[in-house]
Amino acid sequence: GAVVSQHPSRVICKSGTSVKIECRSLDFQATTMFWYRQFPKQSLMLMATSNEGSKATYEQGVEKDKFLINHASLTLSTLTVTSAHPEDSSFYICSASPRFDATQHFGDGTRLSIL
Amino acid sequence: AQSVTQLDSHVSVSEGTPVLLRCNYSSSYSPSLFWYVQHPNKGLQLLLKYTSAATLVKGINGFEAEFKKSETSFHLTKPSAHMSDAAEYFCVVSLFGYSTLTFGKGTMLLVSP
Repeated sequence: GAVVSQHPSRVICKSGTSVKIECRSLDFQATTMFWYRQFPKQSLMLMATSNEGSKATYEQGVEKDKFLINHASLTLSTLTVTSAHPEDSSFYICSASPRFDATQHFGDGTRLSIL
Repeated sequence: AQSVTQLDSHVSVSEGTPVLLRCNYSSSYSPSLFWYVQHPNKGLQLLLKYTSAATLVKGINGFEAEFKKSETSFHLTKPSAHMSDAAEYFCVVSLFGYSTLTFGKGTMLLVSP
């Protein structure tokens, strides 16, 4: 149980393109979803927290106009990297917490490469 | 506020020998503690969690961890390492009942034949 699916697993695109990453909880309802960024050989850095039906809360230093987060249903959150540039290249990971359980369950991550 | 210190950035063991990954935490209130494993280019998989019940927590794949409040530790152990255990391991803390996580810097476990 508690499976989180993240898609796509890898994206390669040109600078200036917008990229959408989907995060789905497959067998539970996720009232809260999280988006992380991971640099090589480092731990995870929380970018934002989203609750279903409300605006995301962004961590300090994360541009909300660059990283658009939508959590429109209890099973789906999306992260859109707008007008991506090479410095946005990274490994992005989502996670989701079931209702009444604070444990986070992680997706498999998306490797984003901007040329 | 809470924090996590993983005492070793790398741990090397031989296949079949015991594994010990060390973690110390700091938390103002009752913590929830987790160990996650990350294989290359993958997300994090939950190994086990402590949420104020039994202090010895058994997880998946033969791993277990013991919550020691007096030592503020939550070390991860496994009696016999397998090659497939080679990965990055993260010790994580949150306030009990809250989902925001604080991550350790990770420990890379290397397993040699």
